[in-house]
Amino acid sequence: QQQVKQSPQSLIVQKGGISIINCAYENTAFDYFPWYQQFPGKGPALLIAIRPDVSEKKEGRFTISFNKSAKQFSLHIMDSQPGDSATYFCAARPSLRGSQGNLIFGKGTKLSVKP
Amino acid sequence: DAGVIQSPRHEVTEMGQEVTLRCKPISGHDYLFWYRQTMMRGLELLIYFNNNVPIDDSGMPEDRFSAKMPNASFSTLKIQPSEPRDSAVYFCASSPRTGGTEAFFGQGTRLTVV
Repeated sequence: QQQVKQSPQSLIVQKGGISIINCAYENTAFDYFPWYQQFPGKGPALLIAIRPDVSEKKEGRFTISFNKSAKQFSLHIMDSQPGDSATYFCAARPSLRGSQGNLIFGKGTKLSVKP
Repeated sequence: DAGVIQSPRHEVTEMGQEVTLRCKPISGHDYLFWYRQTMMRGLELLIYFNNNVPIDDSGMPEDRFSAKMPNASFSTLKIQPSEPRDSAVYFCASSPRTGGTEAFFGQGTRLTVV
């Protein structure tokens, strides 16, 4: 069964610190790895994404690191701010024909950044 | 564009009643997804459509759940009869023609079945 495993379930970081969220996938080939950010009462929104031919992608304070051989990818939030407090989901899209519309999500990480 | 629009935002219903959730995707998007979010199971894909055609409904939990997309601008998710374990937040999302990369989510419908 296709799965994306995400850890930790929750994370508390001091303002200015680095938040790190990890995800791992199994077996099935994926060709797109987005991270979504969700604030309370809102739907998830795309934060940053990476394709497997790239090992790292950075957008502002957010960086995705991708390790294809280990089938792992992670989100790093540098200089974390209280406004970053949200639930973060990693996801992966199967590269199989016919499944390309489907994103498989991790279970989420609730991040709290303390002032 | 106003984004993906879902209605109602909140729904409280009694066990056994029929519930219909509605979604208007972003104009021009060819993919539409229905997700269910709970604390225990996270975000689960229930069903998705491509060009109004259901592609994968393997996530639909039971025959009590059904989804339709009669045209490119409207979709419904129906639960009949509803049960307390159906209580969750239901999200609709849509993606553009480019193979379903970024999914744009609506604000969700919080369903409570008492």
